[in-house]
Amino acid sequence: DSGVTQTPKHLITATGQRVTLRCSPRSGDLSVYWYQQSLDQGLQFLIQYYNGEERAKGNILERFSAQQFPDLHSELNLSSLELGDSALYFCASSVDRRGGVSTDTQYFGPGTRLTVL
Amino acid sequence: EDQVTQSPEALRLQEGESSSLNCSYTVSGLRGLFWYRQDPGKGPEFLFTLYSAGEEKEKERLKATLTKKESFLHITAPKPEDSATYLCAVQNSGGYQKVTFGTGTKLQVIP
Repeated sequence: DSGVTQTPKHLITATGQRVTLRCSPRSGDLSVYWYQQSLDQGLQFLIQYYNGEERAKGNILERFSAQQFPDLHSELNLSSLELGDSALYFCASSVDRRGGVSTDTQYFGPGTRLTVL
Repeated sequence: EDQVTQSPEALRLQEGESSSLNCSYTVSGLRGLFWYRQDPGKGPEFLFTLYSAGEEKEKERLKATLTKKESFLHITAPKPEDSATYLCAVQNSGGYQKVTFGTGTKLQVIP
């Protein structure tokens, strides 16, 4: 158990809908990262938040957005869903001792499996 | 742009048959190299972090090594429970220190 929690475990929805995925980082970790992993593909970095502020963006679509709250949990919002958005979405967290720059290992949550029908 | 290439894509071993997985990387400046294990449908599980060429780390049947261009994950006398996908990732030492993952090596250990 990495200490990172994600809810829900599974999500089934229809095209055009909007969903919210939730992540609670390990106790003491200030940075949260979101990744997408499609079937048999590698991990694609989406976005990073550090202590409530967006730190870096990867291959995140404009239909997707995220935020990190004062209690450091994070939410990933996916809207106007398409069939191709079906994937595993992982959250990871790290301590980041130096001013928001990632200097520590990322620990991953169990993921949310999103199925868009 | 940072790149990570893992080989082979898939590896099938008999129980007890030792082997190595390769991770070749190009990065503007290496901050760290990470190895993770991922079981189907689960989140990646952290194994090792290596920071500089010549460094080695061990954990049970696994040993990770690092050179300036690649890393190896050596598996000694594997057991069926070692079956998983092994992911390699590099972190650059630039302004953001981005982490880039490889696509992994899928290991199957047959009893």
